[in-house]
Amino acid sequence: EAQVTQNPRYLITVTGKKLTVTCSQNMNHEYMSWYRQDPGLGLRQIYYSMNVEVTDKGDVPEGYKVSRKEKRNFPLILESPSPNQTSLYFCASSLQRRHTEAFFGQGTRLTVV
Amino acid sequence: ILNVEQSPQSLHVQEGDSTNFTCSFPSSNFYALHWYRWETAKSPEALFVMTLNGDEKKKGRISATLNTKEGYSYLYIKGSQPEDSATYLCAFGDRGSTLGRLYFGRGTQLTVWP
Repeated sequence: EAQVTQNPRYLITVTGKKLTVTCSQNMNHEYMSWYRQDPGLGLRQIYYSMNVEVTDKGDVPEGYKVSRKEKRNFPLILESPSPNQTSLYFCASSLQRRHTEAFFGQGTRLTVV
Repeated sequence: ILNVEQSPQSLHVQEGDSTNFTCSFPSSNFYALHWYRWETAKSPEALFVMTLNGDEKKKGRISATLNTKEGYSYLYIKGSQPEDSATYLCAFGDRGSTLGRLYFGRGTQLTVWP
């Protein structure tokens, strides 16, 4: 089954404790991205990747890091989480063309206390 | 940051009503317009991807139209059902941006009452 898998689905952590949210897709998509969703603000892009070892900042990259060492995986790293990073996070992938649909992971609800 | 506007922000209708909402986007540098349906506690799922001015897409009771010259798209739901309750997102693909990058609107939250 074609899918994008994120883990964990839910996470509560403390300020400053490094964490990684994993994302994996099995569709051989070149393009992957991370979004955060906050009430009233819609989906905002954090980082994106056009292929292995090619990543770039989205609209809200501060406080996040990513890596793309393999085509299927695109982890999101919070080196020192802060309460303002409490949010719902989505990973998405698509073929590297603008007219192909994006496939989303199940979402990760992160709370930083 | 490109501005993609959706209206209304929320909508409450009775079962059986038909409804429509709007997505506005920059008319220059258009490449593609996507519509997604996002149910509570699930992840967004694609409804339509449109690329040509005048495009019309249909899936069951849901249809969409596209006007790239004036920069808007309409999503129509005919005979709304409670299971249509969801947030509907549009996303704009800009010709000048990185291939694959989409700019999302804030969504229209639809509630259909039985």
